[in-house]
Amino acid sequence: DQQVKQNSPSLSVQEGRISILNCDYTNSMFDYFLWYKKYPAEGPTFLISISSIKDKNEDGRFTVFLNKSAKHLSLHIVPSQPGDSAVYFCAGFGNEKLTFGTGTRLTIIP
Amino acid sequence: ETGVTQSPTHLIKTRGQQVTLRCSSQSGHNTVSWYQQALGQGPQFIFQYYREEENGRGNFPPRFSGLQFPNYSSELNVNALELDDSALYLCASSFGVINEQFFGPGTRLTVL
Repeated sequence: DQQVKQNSPSLSVQEGRISILNCDYTNSMFDYFLWYKKYPAEGPTFLISISSIKDKNEDGRFTVFLNKSAKHLSLHIVPSQPGDSAVYFCAGFGNEKLTFGTGTRLTIIP
Repeated sequence: ETGVTQSPTHLIKTRGQQVTLRCSSQSGHNTVSWYQQALGQGPQFIFQYYREEENGRGNFPPRFSGLQFPNYSSELNVNALELDDSALYLCASSFGVINEQFFGPGTRLTVL
């Protein structure tokens, strides 16, 4: 039972353009949602989060949108930079634990 | 401030053996969560320790067990290793069970 899904395993975006990463969930009991970024040989690092009662949160180049009726969230990165190339995981937090999606590998093309 | 550290970095074991992985939590953190990340998958929650007690467990069999010590470092033990246990094992520490988790670099376990 995969409660958090990232249906795009990979995404390539030109440097300077917008990157949009998508995530769907089935569990309505998540208290909030998070995005993590992971480089090879490193653990995931927290990027940005959104409470389940909000629909948008912005932090610099990163914005997360939450559509509760569609059970969908997205991460927008603008402008995209080469250092953004990494695997991005979305996760739901509920019952004191994180449930991760399978990840999307983002490649920024110079 | 020291971040989350894990040891060893890599480990190779054979089927049926037992393994112990270690995690030192970030300074000031009292909660450690363990995750298994199989190839091509996202991290899956194994269990969490808060103040030396297990506080929540994911869908993993009892041969996965853990400990948390008074200094809040933690161990993950896996008995009777199976080939499917080959994965990256991540630990994350936090102050309290609902606050932001900081991840270590992981231990890559290969079971032959």
